[in-house]
Amino acid sequence: AQSVTQPDIHITVSEGASLELRCNYSYGATPYLFWYVQSPGQGLQLLLKYFSGDTLVQGIKGFEAEFKRSQSSFNLRKPSVHWSDAAEYFCAVGAQTSYDKVIFGPGTSLSVIP
Amino acid sequence: DGGITQSPKYLFRKEGQNVTLSCEQNLNHDAMYWYRQDPGQGLRLIYYSQIVNDFQKGDIAEGYSVSREKKESFPLTVTSAQKNPTAFYLCASSILSGGNQPQHFGDGTRLSIL
Repeated sequence: AQSVTQPDIHITVSEGASLELRCNYSYGATPYLFWYVQSPGQGLQLLLKYFSGDTLVQGIKGFEAEFKRSQSSFNLRKPSVHWSDAAEYFCAVGAQTSYDKVIFGPGTSLSVIP
Repeated sequence: DGGITQSPKYLFRKEGQNVTLSCEQNLNHDAMYWYRQDPGQGLRLIYYSQIVNDFQKGDIAEGYSVSREKKESFPLTVTSAQKNPTAFYLCASSILSGGNQPQHFGDGTRLSIL
């Protein structure tokens, strides 16, 4: 079965600074990887997904993520953070069959200092 | 606009009471899911349904029940057997079931004990 970890519980960055949120997964085959964002009191919104092909994927709101098989990682990046990016970010890993579930990481809370 | 509607936004339960959380989607998605979210624990799967009139237990199904009589509706009942129901509950859907499917989320229901 697959699993996912997000080593950072909470991160604080200054507005305009770059951002990298870490995600590590465990799965025996090529995983399906997702990043979601959750604003306070709301549901999750899909930022981007990786299924195959180019290991650098672009998402919404200026986010990108890079799949590194050798490191079992799928880190989320943004070159310049805006105050509105303050939220909870979840990495998720899925598998290839219709019987498998998507497993969500514990989340990383992002604070942005003006 | 298509989406997922969860109601109510806030719900209070008395001791020994069953309560039902509503989830409706107009995305024409086959699969629907219920998650429980507690601080620092990410999302845990309660129940999921791949098609109408079919559903399976997730990782924490004890104390919960569901039905899927219509494609667009997947209500969750929190029974009196669930001794610690206070949490944020999220409903989600995907076009098909499986670990390779991105999920769309509602805005959640926050359940508390009176």
